[in-house]
Amino acid sequence: EVQLVQSGAEVKKPGESLKISCKASGYSFTNYWIGWVRQMPGKGLEWMGIIYPGDSDAKYSPSFQGQVTISADTSSSTAYLQWSSLEASDTAVYYCARMGYYQNAFDIWGQGTVVTVFS
Amino acid sequence: QSALTQPASVSGSPGQSITISCTGTSSDIGGYNFVSWYQQHPGKTPKLLIYELNNRPSGVSNRFSGSKSGNTASLTISGLQAEDEADYYCSSYTNTNSLEVFGGGTKLTVL
Repeated sequence: EVQLVQSGAEVKKPGESLKISCKASGYSFTNYWIGWVRQMPGKGLEWMGIIYPGDSDAKYSPSFQGQVTISADTSSSTAYLQWSSLEASDTAVYYCARMGYYQNAFDIWGQGTVVTVFS
Repeated sequence: QSALTQPASVSGSPGQSITISCTGTSSDIGGYNFVSWYQQHPGKTPKLLIYELNNRPSGVSNRFSGSKSGNTASLTISGLQAEDEADYYCSSYTNTNSLEVFGGGTKLTVL
């Protein structure tokens, strides 16, 4: 079964760092893009960025460039989204999703990781 | 970049057809057929309904269809059912930065 399994919910303080994960299984991890999508409480989906694990080529939406880092570890078939210094406005659900089976569409989604940042 | 523009809400009665619009520019929807639509029920993960403008993944009901006219893409749901009540998001490739952008989302209410 093709699936993406994300790490569990996180509660952090402003200024702290964080790295959440997205483990892929059931397909060739290096042959498909993995993207990250933010959904703030009660709001819509926001396209953050994407990575091609085969060569670690990462691209970021302008709104998120410099704010987060996307990476991938092919040995564990896991993609990551990380922050060096969290802010309260980073409170959201973060989804990873696969792109490439269908052109420019996310066909497989992780279950989401809830990140809560408060002091 | 700015999100694609969707109506905040639409509604319809069971059995009816409804259409959700998604307006962009010539840099995204108008210039390419890389338009996708997603369905998200409350508290659930988004689900791909339509890819490449008018194609359905295996398992998606043929009651869902996509189309485009100029800079506006549309999702039509025919034979509306109670289970269709959800949020719907469009997405398009944009040549602004060779990435993708989502619409703001539309809440569908089945009356």
